[in-house]
Amino acid sequence: ETGVTQTPRHLVMGMTNKKSLKCEQHLGHNAMYWYKQSAKKPLELMFVYNFKEQTENNSVPSRFSPECPNSSHLFLHLHTLQPEDSALYLCASRSGASGTGIQYFGAGTRLSVL
Amino acid sequence: AQKITQTQPGMFVQEKEAVTLDCTYDTSDPSYGLFWYKQPSSGEMIFLIYQGSYDQQNATEGRYSLNFQKARKSANLVISASQLGDSAMYFCAMREVRQGGSEKLVFGKGTKLTVNP
Repeated sequence: ETGVTQTPRHLVMGMTNKKSLKCEQHLGHNAMYWYKQSAKKPLELMFVYNFKEQTENNSVPSRFSPECPNSSHLFLHLHTLQPEDSALYLCASRSGASGTGIQYFGAGTRLSVL
Repeated sequence: AQKITQTQPGMFVQEKEAVTLDCTYDTSDPSYGLFWYKQPSSGEMIFLIYQGSYDQQNATEGRYSLNFQKARKSANLVISASQLGDSAMYFCAMREVRQGGSEKLVFGKGTKLTVNP
């Protein structure tokens, strides 16, 4: 148990659906991340939030829309996804200031787009 | 750009033996951090060990140690006394601090470790 909780753990959705992934951390961290892990590819950073402000968008398509209402919660809103978006989506939060801390990950949401 | 290379797609080890997982990195930054994570089949990415570029000694955490050779740009993970529960994917990662202070991790492709009874 890392203190980072992701829900749901598994999600199957059609290309026309709208769904949201949720990430919650109770570690008191101020930075949160979304990563995408596709089969046979290294983890890819999607978004970074520091103190609720988005500080990085790694050229992610607009069908993925992040939201960070406070330092403890991070959402990823999904709409009109493509089958190639099927992947494991991992959330992380970081201890310490930028350049000094450790990222702790949740268990991920395994997404299948039909 | 920073780069992490893990050349072993898969490794096998007998229970109770030690195993070394290789990681080489490439960066022009004088200050950097190196991490190892374990990912079981359940998917969670578990932090194992950290080495800072200015740390004088190799990092150790229980059965995990990091063999840091700065001149060779390598940061190999050593697992001693392997257990069946160590079977998992292992990822080496490097911290990259972007202009503006945003930080991200750059990951290697991973090594799948199988511990045999």
